[in-house]
Amino acid sequence: ENVLTQSPGTLSLSPGDRATLSCRTSQSVSSNDLAWYQQKPGQAPRVLIYGTSSRATGIPDRFSGSGSGTDFTLTISRLEPEDFAVYYCQQYSSPPRYTFGQGTKLEIK
Amino acid sequence: EVQLVESGGGLIQPGRSLRLSCAASGFTVSSNYMSWVRQAPGKGLEWVSVIYTAGSTYYADSVKGRFTISRDNSKNTLYLQMNSLRAEDTAVYYCARGRPNYGDYNYWGQGTLVTVSS
Repeated sequence: ENVLTQSPGTLSLSPGDRATLSCRTSQSVSSNDLAWYQQKPGQAPRVLIYGTSSRATGIPDRFSGSGSGTDFTLTISRLEPEDFAVYYCQQYSSPPRYTFGQGTKLEIK
Repeated sequence: EVQLVESGGGLIQPGRSLRLSCAASGFTVSSNYMSWVRQAPGKGLEWVSVIYTAGSTYYADSVKGRFTISRDNSKNTLYLQMNSLRAEDTAVYYCARGRPNYGDYNYWGQGTLVTVSS
């Protein structure tokens, strides 16, 4: 099983700061199969980035994804107040398994 | 507009069965791969099951042999039959639509809460 480890567990930053979230996988992941989600309290997750670096429809360009192999990064260039939430990375591997990281909580400093 | 609406959650005793439904609109369930993802209270996301367009199904080890994913094409609805429920199955259950050719989920329902307790 491919284990996804996100770091840090909690990130305390201020609006306007740059946020860098990490996702490390225990096995190599195809670039098509790594995604990032944002989840706010009481809401369903929302995909931000798919295919490692493609922004989903309606996602602002301050969100970007990068990485390859086993190391992936979500960057938020300038934090807006609405960006404070929990972020999950997720991967697909064969045999069909869709694994999520444990999440990074982005909180206001 | 794509919409997914889950129903069927509630309070259920350990060992009993429950069936969740996910009514889809704005697209055809059988033309997309569909999954159930759950989230225990205060915890992270856990993938539960997937059904592909050809009908093949796969499950997380934690539910294999107890849960069954299916769909009714005439009703454009996804189901999750949950048997032998345990306290650790307590969670919000989301249905989600997979993005073709990628491994992510681009549409999610609002979720339905299942509480397994005596």
